[in-house]
Amino acid sequence: AQSVAQPEDQVNVAEGNPLTVKCTYSVSGNPYLFWYVQYPNRGLQFLLKYITGDNLVKGSYGFEAEFNKSQTSFHLKKPSALVSDSALYFCAVSGSSNTGKLIFGQGTTLQVKP
Amino acid sequence: GAGVSQSPSNKVTEKGKDVELRCDPISGHTALYWYRQSLGQGLEFLIYFQGNSAPDKSGLPSDRFSAERTGGSVSTLTIQRTQQEDSAVYLCASSYRDRFYEQYFGPGTRLTVT
Repeated sequence: AQSVAQPEDQVNVAEGNPLTVKCTYSVSGNPYLFWYVQYPNRGLQFLLKYITGDNLVKGSYGFEAEFNKSQTSFHLKKPSALVSDSALYFCAVSGSSNTGKLIFGQGTTLQVKP
Repeated sequence: GAGVSQSPSNKVTEKGKDVELRCDPISGHTALYWYRQSLGQGLEFLIYFQGNSAPDKSGLPSDRFSAERTGGSVSTLTIQRTQQEDSAVYLCASSYRDRFYEQYFGPGTRLTVT
């Protein structure tokens, strides 16, 4: 069965510092991996995806994520955090059947302090 | 352009009553998804439509839950004989058929069963 784990409920970072939000996955076959963000009182927004190709993928708002097959991880990163990045972040996986069914992690709250 | 819209935004109902939740996808998006977001369970997939067909309804929690889509557009999620554990935010998303990984989410319907 496919699954995603986000080991941290909350990540606290000072503005201007680099941030990492962790995600590990378990899936049979080649994984399709995604990050979504949920700002307060707003819907989920797509940030970035890994399907194939370069292990480092770039997405919206300066975010990037690194796919590591040996560690089955897909950590979200940003070189310099902004207070406005504070939100709830979800990692998700879709199996190779590509039905569109996304399996989400439990979510990690990112708090960026000025 | 217009995003995914959902109605009502909030619904309070008594245990045992039936409720209908509506989703209007982005025009041109042939794929439509329902998810549920609750405190204890995180974000759970419910059902996926491609056109008016539902190739994957594996996430529907019980036979009290059903969904339909007509005209390849609007979808309705119906919950019969609501229970308190049905209380959650019900999210709808849509995408182009070949870009299932980039799902656009609506603001959700917050359902409270008293």
